[in-house]
Amino acid sequence: DAGVIQSPRHEVTEMGQEVTLRCKPISGHDYLFWYRQTMMRGLELLIYFNNNVPIDDSGMPEDRFSAKMPNASFSTLKIQPSEPRDSAVYFCASSQDRGLGGNTIYFGEGSWLTVV
Amino acid sequence: DQQVKQNSPSLSVQEGRISILNCDYTNSMFDYFLWYKKYPAEGPTFLISISSIKDKNEDGRFTVFLNKSAKHLSLHIVPSQPGDSAVYFCAASGLGTYKYIFGTGTRLKVLA
Repeated sequence: DAGVIQSPRHEVTEMGQEVTLRCKPISGHDYLFWYRQTMMRGLELLIYFNNNVPIDDSGMPEDRFSAKMPNASFSTLKIQPSEPRDSAVYFCASSQDRGLGGNTIYFGEGSWLTVV
Repeated sequence: DQQVKQNSPSLSVQEGRISILNCDYTNSMFDYFLWYKKYPAEGPTFLISISSIKDKNEDGRFTVFLNKSAKHLSLHIVPSQPGDSAVYFCAASGLGTYKYIFGTGTRLKVLA
């Protein structure tokens, strides 16, 4: 089975440009998460969706960040305009609600963003 | 406000010995805990989990211990192998939520 697929793997962009990161979750998973990894803060949850609906976006740093999930197999995280402090690894993850209390989340390989 | 804390940024252990990675949390509503392992340039991969109704869960060389009163969990790796060298993250969530909060990670180096 294919895992969580993210693109691009690496992105270098200039400050002020729009950045779009893409994610395809594992088929059948109904939860999708966007995380950001930095040295100082580790893995931060930015936003998560359930059945394509955003549930908690309290981790989104500011209005420059937005995320959408138009269907069960695709999500985007957009940064507009980008700033050097946005440089980080962005991970998408997905999970299936098994109703058992506690679920494993599966991560993609990450999108390495550098804003110069 | 770090709700999940891994206070040791790094740890070095000799091959064959026990590795103990620690994690503390502050939110008493957390009741499900996971450990993930991350190699460079890869995404984190699930290692082992524990529910708050247990105080221990074992899977091969990996055992997770949970001390609810101390709000502390630990991951034991016995025996440690060079391939275990990675960054280990602990994560926590509350029942009925899927908001997994991760610690900052501990880099484990197993010396051959």
